[in-house]
Amino acid sequence: GAVVSQHPSRVICKSGTSVKIECRSLDFQATTMFWYRQFPKQSLMLMATSNEGSKATYEQGVEKDKFLINHASLTLSTLTVTSAHPEDSSFYICSARDMRNPNYGYTFGSGTRLTVV
Amino acid sequence: AQTVTQSQPEMSVQEAETVTLSCTYDTSESDYYLFWYKQPPSRQMILVIRQEAYKQQNATENRFSVNFQKAAKSFSLKISDSQLGDAAMYFCATMEYGNKLVFGAGTILRVKS
Repeated sequence: GAVVSQHPSRVICKSGTSVKIECRSLDFQATTMFWYRQFPKQSLMLMATSNEGSKATYEQGVEKDKFLINHASLTLSTLTVTSAHPEDSSFYICSARDMRNPNYGYTFGSGTRLTVV
Repeated sequence: AQTVTQSQPEMSVQEAETVTLSCTYDTSESDYYLFWYKQPPSRQMILVIRQEAYKQQNATENRFSVNFQKAAKSFSLKISDSQLGDAAMYFCATMEYGNKLVFGAGTILRVKS
């Protein structure tokens, strides 16, 4: 089945630094990937839709300059949290839509727990 | 705009018993898809079951089945013969054709031994 690899699984960074999270589709091509943020015991909040070769589409209220998204190839999207602050600490999850089955649903990465100290 | 409502924040079930998780949704489209995802303590999102709105027959995957009532915009999940490994947070989601997933708030399912 379709597999999405997300790295790192955990990261601790100092306030003011930037952190990059990678999301790779391992056995399929994904023109569209999605980035979510999740707080404990809450639902997934869509942050942005990442499109290969074009600019990401951000949801209302998400700062595009803080959460930089790059989708440079059909198998890789990255989320960079710039100038991170403690309030950016959260669980970030990516997902990808398989071009072969675009309406089947999305495959999710295993998530990244970001802690900003 | 799509909306998904899960009215049960938490549910409990005895091992080997049956439990039903509720979900209602709203969409203006006639062609859409419905999903149940499971998120265990590992936090990996796992697709449990999928339903195409144009299909009247309820989807079934082993111990998991749905009761899809299109007119009522209801999509409940039934878990039969509950196992300890079923303990997780369950999310109902909708997707309009070619569009993004919209999730409900989730239901925490606890399984008692």
